[in-house]
Amino acid sequence: EDQVTQSPEALRLQEGESSSLNCSYTVSGLRGLFWYRQDPGKGPEFLFTLYSAGEEKEKERLKATLTKKESFLHITAPKPEDSATYLCAVFSGAGSYQLTFGKGTKLSVIP
Amino acid sequence: DTGVSQDPRHKITKRGQNVTFRCDPISEHNRLYWYRQTLGQGPEFLTYFQNEAQLEKSRLLSDRFSAERPKGSFSTLEIQRTEQGDSAMYLCASSLAGTAVREQYFGPGTRLTVT
Repeated sequence: EDQVTQSPEALRLQEGESSSLNCSYTVSGLRGLFWYRQDPGKGPEFLFTLYSAGEEKEKERLKATLTKKESFLHITAPKPEDSATYLCAVFSGAGSYQLTFGKGTKLSVIP
Repeated sequence: DTGVSQDPRHKITKRGQNVTFRCDPISEHNRLYWYRQTLGQGPEFLTYFQNEAQLEKSRLLSDRFSAERPKGSFSTLEIQRTEQGDSAMYLCASSLAGTAVREQYFGPGTRLTVT
């Protein structure tokens, strides 16, 4: 059974203070790892897909990286509007089309 | 707006009543998924359609839950004899089919409260 663990559960940063969120996973054969952003009361918003170890993707202040055991979401010089819950999900495709999600990291960026 | 839409956005019902939710996927997407999310948790998979065929169901989907996707367009999720434990956000997502792994795009969700 696929498993995803995200840490920390919550993170408070000062505006401009860079940091990283962690997503550790256990899957039978990773075919894709996804990062989503979720604002309160809304559906998850797609950010990145990573397919293989060593791959990196960037978008504005966010950079996602992938190893064989974990993924990191690096946030550089965050702004208050980056405050949200960041969700990590894996797809193994082992007879299933479902995404398996972690519980998320709730990020708060203080002005 | 060409994203995934869901209706209603909020539903309050009494225990024992039946409820039905609707999802309209992105128009060119032929894969459709339902997930359930409770407070402090990530979304949990419920069921998956490719076109009109329901190809996968989670063990979370008890016999009180039924989903349909007539004509491979919009989908409905019905919960019969609701229980307080059914209170959650119900999320719909869609994606393109193909051999490559495709990202799933989520709708805004339907928040169900069972009193």
